[in-house]
Amino acid sequence: DIVLTQSPDSLAVSLGERATINCKSSQTVLYSSNNKNYLAWYQQKPGQPPKVLIYWASTRESGVPDRFSGSGSGTDFTLTITGLQAEDVAVYYCQQYYSTPRTFGQGTKVEIK
Amino acid sequence: QVQLQESGPGLVKPSETLSLNCTVSGTSISRDYWSWIRQPPGKGLEWIGYIYYRGTSKHNPSLKSRVTISVDTSKNQFSLRLTSVTAADTAIYYCARERIGYNWFDPWGQGTLVTVSS
Repeated sequence: DIVLTQSPDSLAVSLGERATINCKSSQTVLYSSNNKNYLAWYQQKPGQPPKVLIYWASTRESGVPDRFSGSGSGTDFTLTITGLQAEDVAVYYCQQYYSTPRTFGQGTKVEIK
Repeated sequence: QVQLQESGPGLVKPSETLSLNCTVSGTSISRDYWSWIRQPPGKGLEWIGYIYYRGTSKHNPSLKSRVTISVDTSKNQFSLRLTSVTAADTAIYYCARERIGYNWFDPWGQGTLVTVSS
């Protein structure tokens, strides 16, 4: 199984500042034949299901504010929120769809400082 | 737009079988992969498994042979059965779509809490 390890487990950021979440994979999720990273990022707010923010590691889902960005390749990935807003308070998960079983990171809780 | 809705009992006794349905609207279930994912209260996400409309399925080996996922194309619905449940199976159960070639989970159902307790 591919193990995804997120860091940190939680972080508190001031409004308008940057939040950075890392996701490290135990194996590459880069598919060499198409040069795509099979990694997504989700946002989960209390009482709601997760919502996809980023797929292919760096492609923003339609309707997602451009303050959210994804980067990385192979085994190391980052989700960055540039200019944190109050509505961004949530738990964020990375997830690989390179192989089964599909796996998620343990989650990173983002709060306002 | 595509919507998914879970349904089923909210309380199951230990050692019994958990059964849930997911009704899909806005698209035909005869395409794509259809997944079950669960989340114990206050914890992270665990993929249970998926099914393709032709019946091909995969499940998480961590659940051993307790999982069965089936599909009913006439009802545009797929189902989960989890046998021999324990308190550790208490969770919010979500259904979600995984599009072929675009294999992230989108959309998700709202989720249903299943509690295992006598």
